[in-house]
Amino acid sequence: EAQVTQNPRYLITVTGKKLTVTCSQNMNHEYMSWYRQDPGLGLRQIYYSMNVEVTDKGDVPEGYKVSRKEKRNFPLILESPSPNQTSLYFCASSQAESSTDTQYFGPGTRLTVL
Amino acid sequence: AQSVAQPEDQVNVAEGNPLTVKCTYSVSGNPYLFWYVQYPNRGLQFLLKYITGDNLVKGSYGFEAEFNKSQTSFHLKKPAALVSDSALYFCAVRVPPGAGSYQLTFGKGTKLSVIP
Repeated sequence: EAQVTQNPRYLITVTGKKLTVTCSQNMNHEYMSWYRQDPGLGLRQIYYSMNVEVTDKGDVPEGYKVSRKEKRNFPLILESPSPNQTSLYFCASSQAESSTDTQYFGPGTRLTVL
Repeated sequence: AQSVAQPEDQVNVAEGNPLTVKCTYSVSGNPYLFWYVQYPNRGLQFLLKYITGDNLVKGSYGFEAEFNKSQTSFHLKKPAALVSDSALYFCAVRVPPGAGSYQLTFGKGTKLSVIP
């Protein structure tokens, strides 16, 4: 089954404790992206990757890092989480650098930073 | 910079009645427009998209959307709402290749509640 998976689905942590949210897709997609969803703000893009070893900032990259060492994986790293990073996070992927491609979304990771 | 506006935070409609969820956009050049739906505790699912051609686009679950270039709108519609349509709906826009960032910009979302 074609899908985007994220782990963990739920995470409660404390300020300053480094964490990684994993994202994996099995569709051989080149493009992957991370979003955060906050009430009243919709989805905002954090980082995206056009292909292996190619990443770029989205609208709200501060406090986040990403890496793309393999085509299927695109982990989101919070080096020193803060309470304002409490949010619902979605990973997404699509076929290639084409504006017509639809994005496939993971189930989401709900992160709480205390 | 591109942007999307969904002017209604919430839309309530009776089951069986037609529904409309509004979306307007702002981009330089021709837009590529998308609608996604989010059911509770789920990720976003693609509903439909407009790239070019016929202004009326048909998508999943009986939804359709009409692209109106002069009004810069892309409203989502369905002739007869179902209770199962209750969800959060997002409109999104991006520009064609070479016209700018590959970024997909989302609206803030509209919560649709279909009342039995």
